[in-house]
Parts: sequence; C-alpha cells; structure tokens
Amino acid sequence: EADIYQTPRYLVIGTGKKITLECSQTMGHDKMYWYQQDPGMELHLIHYSYGVNSTEKGDLSSESTVSRIRTEHFPLTLESARPSHTSQYLCASSDRKAFFGQGTRLTVV
Amino acid sequence: QQPVQSPQAVILREGEDAVINCSSSKALYSVHWYRQKHGEAPVFLMILLKGGEQKGHDKISASFNEKKQQSSLYLTASQLSYSGTYFCGTDGSGNTPLVFGKGTRLSVIA
Repeated sequence: EADIYQTPRYLVIGTGKKITLECSQTMGHDKMYWYQQDPGMELHLIHYSYGVNSTEKGDLSSESTVSRIRTEHFPLTLESARPSHTSQYLCASSDRKAFFGQGTRLTVV
Repeated sequence: QQPVQSPQAVILREGEDAVINCSSSKALYSVHWYRQKHGEAPVFLMILLKGGEQKGHDKISASFNEKKQQSSLYLTASQLSYSGTYFCGTDGSGNTPLVFGKGTRLSVIA
C-alpha cells in the first residue's frame, strides 16, 4: 500500500493569498512529482525532483515553486493565488512505478 | 515530450475487448500504465521496461515495442470495474521525468 500523503484535501482561499500544499512520503523514494489535473482531464507535470536539493520545472508553465530539503517532503507553494490556479494538484513519488497521493482540490475565489 | 494515446474514449459492453495505444516520438526507456477512477488518484497497473516485453495483470495485459516506441494495453472480457480513464506514462533514460498522455476514457456498460 502506498504511503504518500497530501494535505489539505480541499482548500478554498481568496485571490492573492499565499498557500503551501503539503506532500509527504514514507517510502524513501528519491523521485517526486507534482501534477496539475482538471476534472477528467490530462495530468500536467508542473514540478519534479530527483532527490534532496534537486528541483526542476515541468512542461506546464506554473507560478508555483517547490522545495526538497528532506527526502520525504516535497511541498508546493503559490505565492499569490489566482482563480486560474483552481484545479486539483496531485503529488507522486516513484522508485520505478509511481504512487499518487489523494490530491488537493484547490479553489481560488 | 508527451506520449500520444488513442482512442480518446471508448464504450464497451461487458465481456467485450479493447485496445488502447500509446506512442512517442522520443526514445523510450519504459512505459507505464495507470487507471484513474472518477474522484480518485491514478493507480499503477504495470510497467514495461524492455522492447517486445509483455505483461499481464488479471485480464489486462500490455506490450511494448521499443523499436517503434509504441505500447498497447489490452483489456480482455471487460468488466464494469474496468471503467475509468487509462493513462500511459513514459520516461527516458537518466533523469527524465514521468510524463503522461492525455488519457483514454473507458466506459463499460452492462
């Protein structure tokens, strides 16, 4: 069973607020990913990491940032949320096959 | 670069078979297949690592033709529980990230 956790599960915030989406895994995986997915749509890669102090941007232009100070923790931060950021954010970790967290459904009003 | 999946959607009756295809213009190191049910996270089905490799998972199997940079997912005698969106994911050698196709929405009806 996958041990990857995302918090919060749901979040409604106002425009301009700074938010951090948390993602933690207990499997010791070096590879971690953030994907953005609108309901029923494709998975867009927004950030990834291959280990501590390694972060890269994905194909989807994003106004978010990530950090990887510890192997198990890969938080995503939006400095100033906008309605266009409304979406579901999925975190995953991989040792070949990827395990996904349950996602954070973000609504910016 | 994002792999290309086809078809975009398919509707089956219980017991029918289906094939979902995935191709890439880049050299592939591995191909992953995942299924996502409505309101849930994607769940790993299988990974194929070698050219010509085939794998099976219950009545779901897949092939990977490394030379053609293509993979196919075969669903045999489909069940209602097979409904969902199927994604193929690909990564290259080294530190290239896992990226997914746009998905194939599969609906199995009684």
